[in-house]
Amino acid sequence: QKEVEQDPGPLSVPEGAIVSLNCTYSNSAFQYFMWYRQYSRKGPELLMYTYSSGNKEDGRFTAQVDKSSKYISLFIRDSQPSDSATYLCAMTKSSGNTGKLIFGQGTTLQVKP
Amino acid sequence: DGGITQSPKYLFRKEGQNVTLSCEQNLNHDAMYWYRQDPGQGLRLIYYSQIVNDFQKGDIAEGYSVSREKKESFPLTVTSAQKNPTAFYLCASNDRGPYGYTFGSGTRLTVV
Repeated sequence: QKEVEQDPGPLSVPEGAIVSLNCTYSNSAFQYFMWYRQYSRKGPELLMYTYSSGNKEDGRFTAQVDKSSKYISLFIRDSQPSDSATYLCAMTKSSGNTGKLIFGQGTTLQVKP
Repeated sequence: DGGITQSPKYLFRKEGQNVTLSCEQNLNHDAMYWYRQDPGQGLRLIYYSQIVNDFQKGDIAEGYSVSREKKESFPLTVTSAQKNPTAFYLCASNDRGPYGYTFGSGTRLTVV
């Protein structure tokens, strides 16, 4: 069983829809949670990050962490065609540079005009 | 602008040949990383280096080698011992903990 599970999709939604992306994990020691966005043939870019449990909002994006359920989510409101990309969740135990990031498989999202 | 440069963007090699992927950063970061990305598998850590002249194996180091002779450079060699080398390779650097990773644009290696 992988430490981090993410449905690879693909997920196709109409423009303006609310998108929900999710990851589950098995290691309760994870404290730092991230969402990366990766456009085709590019490197990932950090989109959102949270520490421990709770919510964080940034414009149309909301990240949620539920440590009791070992479940993290990314919500995209008013989705746009430019949001079409692969979204990767990542997490780690350590606050330093040596902490290994564990990535989910990535979910491919397509937003249709 | 500061960033990470990976070259080449696309690379084709014959089976049995070693190949070296370049990664250069001008961010003055101490830590550098190599990841491999396969469809449906996310990113997996190959090697990482926290300081010049030092590096550690990641989860899938077999068939790969690295060097870190300069702070700004962290080349990855894919050797003939790597059983399935065709993949998308990503280099990253970091100096700010878990939220500070910067990724390059990747090199797509195809072995025929």
